Amino acid sequence: NAGVTQTPKFQVLKTGQSMTLQCAQDMNHNSMYWYRQDPGMGLRLIYYSASEGTTDKGEVPNGYNVSRLNKREFSLRLESAAPSQTSVYFCASCLGATSLDGYTFGSGTRLTVV
Amino acid sequence: AQSVTQLDSQVPVFEEAPVELRCNYSSSVSVYLFWYVQYPNQGLQLLLKYLSGSTLVKGINGFEAEFNKSQTSFHLRKPSVHISDTAEYFCAVSGPRVQGAQKLVFGQGTRLTINP
Repeated sequence: NAGVTQTPKFQVLKTGQSMTLQCAQDMNHNSMYWYRQDPGMGLRLIYYSASEGTTDKGEVPNGYNVSRLNKREFSLRLESAAPSQTSVYFCASCLGATSLDGYTFGSGTRLTVV
Repeated sequence: AQSVTQLDSQVPVFEEAPVELRCNYSSSVSVYLFWYVQYPNQGLQLLLKYLSGSTLVKGINGFEAEFNKSQTSFHLRKPSVHISDTAEYFCAVSGPRVQGAQKLVFGQGTRLTINP
């Protein structure tokens, strides 16, 4: 009954470094999402995956890439981190392709780029 | 395109007082509306949702929200708050179905602080 698991919980990167944020869900959900949360801006969608094998850009995709490794896992990669990518990152999943069931969120990854 | 505006960035209230968190949305199609709560250092949890039917929706922890189509609003209310309600609250609207997925669009959030 873990729900959505994100790793790591905290990370500090230097400008230019790369890293991958991991997300896994054990609820047999079909769609998965990556959001970033910044003060006063709410949550903004980075990338999403409507089903296994598909990914698409959200509102703020620049500087990120994603991989839907299988139905359970959806990773977010920063190829060359920038200070503007300092944020809290949330992964979410949903049973269907529609949002009617509501999303289940992970506990977040707090990323600082110096 | 869908959008959500939360009219207050911060709302301080005293314990046991009533509270209303305001949310307005814009959409050119039928909408589904949600309120999520985020406790400190945690992810978001679904508080309640409006899909259709009765315009008054009841959620967890004594919260309720009223869908008002003419006012394009979905305000969240609780008649008597507790210290444990201190959290950030997000209103969200479902966007159009694109590429097989129907995404949520979130408001900016309202930080509710309960004072003893």
